[in-house]
Amino acid sequence: AQSVTQLDSHVSVSEGTPVLLRCNYSSSYSPSLFWYVQHPNKGLQLLLKYTSAATLVKGINGFEAEFKKSETSFHLTKPSAHMSDAAEYFCVVSDPVNTGNQFYFGTGTSLTVIP
Amino acid sequence: DVKVTQSSRYLVKRTGEKVFLECVQDMDHENMFWYRQDPGLGLRLIYFSYDVKMKEKGDIPEGYSVSREKKERFSLILESASTNQTSMYLCASSKRRGTSGSLAKNIQYFGAGTRLSVL
Repeated sequence: AQSVTQLDSHVSVSEGTPVLLRCNYSSSYSPSLFWYVQHPNKGLQLLLKYTSAATLVKGINGFEAEFKKSETSFHLTKPSAHMSDAAEYFCVVSDPVNTGNQFYFGTGTSLTVIP
Repeated sequence: DVKVTQSSRYLVKRTGEKVFLECVQDMDHENMFWYRQDPGLGLRLIYFSYDVKMKEKGDIPEGYSVSREKKERFSLILESASTNQTSMYLCASSKRRGTSGSLAKNIQYFGAGTRLSVL
């Protein structure tokens, strides 16, 4: 069975400091992993994806994530937070080999950026 | 540019009304999804469809039905709206794994959401 755990429901950082949003997954096979961002009253926008290529994945707006199979983790990082990064972030796993076309969402992490 | 369009951004309905939420995608995707999003619960899958006239129940299908008569359109129906269905509803689409030719294309694209209030 597939599942996703986002370890923090809320994260607060100061502007200019690093961001770390944690995600652990369980999957019976090599999964596809995604991070989406949702700004207030908006739909979800894809930040980055891992699909069995390079384990360090670079996304938009300076975000990146590293796939660590031994730790079943896919944490999202950014070296320096910007005010515009304040949003809800969702970690998502898909296991297309075993479960076809479904996607499994974490419960989200709300990022606050303090000026 | 890829696009998933939900027909309404905001809806207010009364208890017992029949409610239709419409979603259209222009990417020729086989798969379409309906989620509801509630604070602290993330996104929960209501129904998905992997082809025209095909549907599968998600995690919380009770009180909902869906219709997929055309590939580009996926409708969510609340047969008799109740106050506990007040929520944000998100539609998404994706290529089917087998036809994408690549895991790199296994991506969901989302609409902007419909915020439904049932009074």
